[in-house]
Amino acid sequence: QKEVEQDPGPLSVPEGAIVSLNCTYSNSAFQYFMWYRQYSRKGPELLMYTYSSGNKEDGRFTAQVDKSSKYISLFIRDSQPSDSATYLCAMSARGGSYIPTFGRGTSLIVHP
Amino acid sequence: EPEVTQTPSHQVTQMGQEVILRCVPISNHLYFYWYRQILGQKVEFLVSFYNNEISEKSEIFDDQFSVERPDGSNFTLKIRSTKLEDSAMYFCASSEARDITDTQYFGPGTRLTVL
Repeated sequence: QKEVEQDPGPLSVPEGAIVSLNCTYSNSAFQYFMWYRQYSRKGPELLMYTYSSGNKEDGRFTAQVDKSSKYISLFIRDSQPSDSATYLCAMSARGGSYIPTFGRGTSLIVHP
Repeated sequence: EPEVTQTPSHQVTQMGQEVILRCVPISNHLYFYWYRQILGQKVEFLVSFYNNEISEKSEIFDDQFSVERPDGSNFTLKIRSTKLEDSAMYFCASSEARDITDTQYFGPGTRLTVL
């Protein structure tokens, strides 16, 4: 079983839609959860991070972690064409290597 | 806003040749990293570097790879004898510290094509 699973998509939505991006993981030691955005031919850019379970909101973005289900989500409200990118989840464990383990990324296309 | 830069943006080489990928981390950062991303696959950690030595490396980072900080600003990744399967995007990243909460800032990447 892969450590971090993420549907590669593509996910195509109309402008203004609410987008839900998800990852599952198998390593119960993961406690730090990150979402990166990667535009075409660019490096990943950290969007949000959360520690342990719960929700975190930043503008139109909400990150959610459910450790009991080993499931994390990123919600984008009022999606814009400029949100079109690949979204990578990543996670790491405290007390060991802090190096993040990435998912494959989900390609999101927001069309006008 | 400070950013990580990488050169070249695209490198084409013949199998068996040596390549050096260059990175300039953010100036006050102390930890440096290399990752790679094969087309269509996930970002994979290669190596981390601190205080002029490797602090952690993955299984991918074998004897063909080496890293160096030759001066106060550059951080390089050398692949001694490239293989076809080394074709990938290589990302450099840097962070202020090595803690679970410290953000790694990624460069734009170097696309390596091995023919």
